[in-house]
Amino acid sequence: AQSVSQHNHHVILSEAASLELGCNYSYGGTVNLFWYVQYPGQHLQLLLKYFSGDPLVKGIKGFEAEFIKSKFSFNLRKPSVQWSDTAEYFCAVTRSGTYKYIFGTGTRLKVLA
Amino acid sequence: DSGVTQTPKHLITATGQRVTLRCSPRSGDLSVYWYQQSLDQGLQFLIQYYNGEERAKGNILERFSAQQFPDLHSELNLSSLELGDSALYFCASSADPYNEQFFGPGTRLTVL
Repeated sequence: AQSVSQHNHHVILSEAASLELGCNYSYGGTVNLFWYVQYPGQHLQLLLKYFSGDPLVKGIKGFEAEFIKSKFSFNLRKPSVQWSDTAEYFCAVTRSGTYKYIFGTGTRLKVLA
Repeated sequence: DSGVTQTPKHLITATGQRVTLRCSPRSGDLSVYWYQQSLDQGLQFLIQYYNGEERAKGNILERFSAQQFPDLHSELNLSSLELGDSALYFCASSADPYNEQFFGPGTRLTVL
């Protein structure tokens, strides 16, 4: 079955630590990839997206993600996290030719001040 | 503000009842998605509509149904409610099925 895996369910970091959240998908073919963030008490909003071109994508708030096609991965990174990055992060994938928009199970990040 | 509106914001009802949640997508967006989010189940995709037609179905119970109207707003109907249906219900819209989704503020449903 088509799926999106986020291996880390809960991550706790101290401020200024580096962050990397994993995302792997099981589709072949052309994919569009997304990272969404949900701050406490809010709705999901887009952090960044990849459709084509440079596999290193820069998003808002200093986040970036790298698409590695051979590994079916789209990991999210941030060199130095802040307390305000405490949120839940969702990876999502769509595939050309289908209407399916698949979200991962989410990773809850807590940043300690 | 994403441009997606959902009403009501909060809903408290009793088991066995039926409720309707409403979503208005961003202007021009043809795709509407419904999600259920709870602490134990996480974010669950329920159903997707594109320009009035159902396009994809996820973990939607038979007691739940949805539709998208000609003006593109959508309604999610939940019937024979159970305690376990208590959750946040999000609607999202997008211009096309492959692009960014814009989420509404959600409807918090409490079933007592």
